[in-house]
Amino acid sequence: AQSVAQPEDQVNVAEGNPLTVKCTYSVSGNPYLFWYVQYPNRGLQFLLKYITGDNLVKGSYGFEAEFNKSQTSFHLKKPSALVSDSALYFCAVRHPRDDKIIFGKGTRLHILP
Amino acid sequence: DSGVTQTPKHLITATGQRVTLRCSPRSGDLSVYWYQQSLDQGLQFLIQYYNGEERAKGNILERFSAQQFPDLHSELNLSSLELGDSALYFCASSPPGLAVLDEQFFGPGTRLTVL
Repeated sequence: AQSVAQPEDQVNVAEGNPLTVKCTYSVSGNPYLFWYVQYPNRGLQFLLKYITGDNLVKGSYGFEAEFNKSQTSFHLKKPSALVSDSALYFCAVRHPRDDKIIFGKGTRLHILP
Repeated sequence: DSGVTQTPKHLITATGQRVTLRCSPRSGDLSVYWYQQSLDQGLQFLIQYYNGEERAKGNILERFSAQQFPDLHSELNLSSLELGDSALYFCASSPPGLAVLDEQFFGPGTRLTVL
């Protein structure tokens, strides 16, 4: 069965430090991978996606993600965290031949001033 | 503002009742998705419609149903409500074309409280 895991419920990072939010997946074939962010009392916003090509994908607000096929991971990264990056982050996976989308449980990111 | 609208913002009702949540997708988008977000279950995909037809089904209960109308707005009907149905319900839309490749644009959500 397809699944997405975000192993950390919460990540704390000091402002200015690099951040990583982890995501691993279990999907046969070549899945499509997405990251979304949810700010308090708001809907989710798209950050970036991996479909094919370069393993390093750049997205909104200075975020990037690295696709690693051998480790079935798609970790979200940012070189220098901002307090305004504090939010709930969701990884999602979609199988190319299946319209269903599966979201991870989310990781709450706290950027400490 | 994503361009996806949802009404109402808040809904409080009693167990056993039926409610209807409404979603208008972004202009030009043909796909509509419904999600349920709760503290214990996380974000669960319920159902997707594409240009009026059901495209994919996720963890949608039999007590729940949805439809997409010719003007592309969608409604999610929840019946025989239980306390556990209290959650945030999100609608999202995506552009026409190969929907599986596309990012989704989420509405602000409807918070349902069942008492």
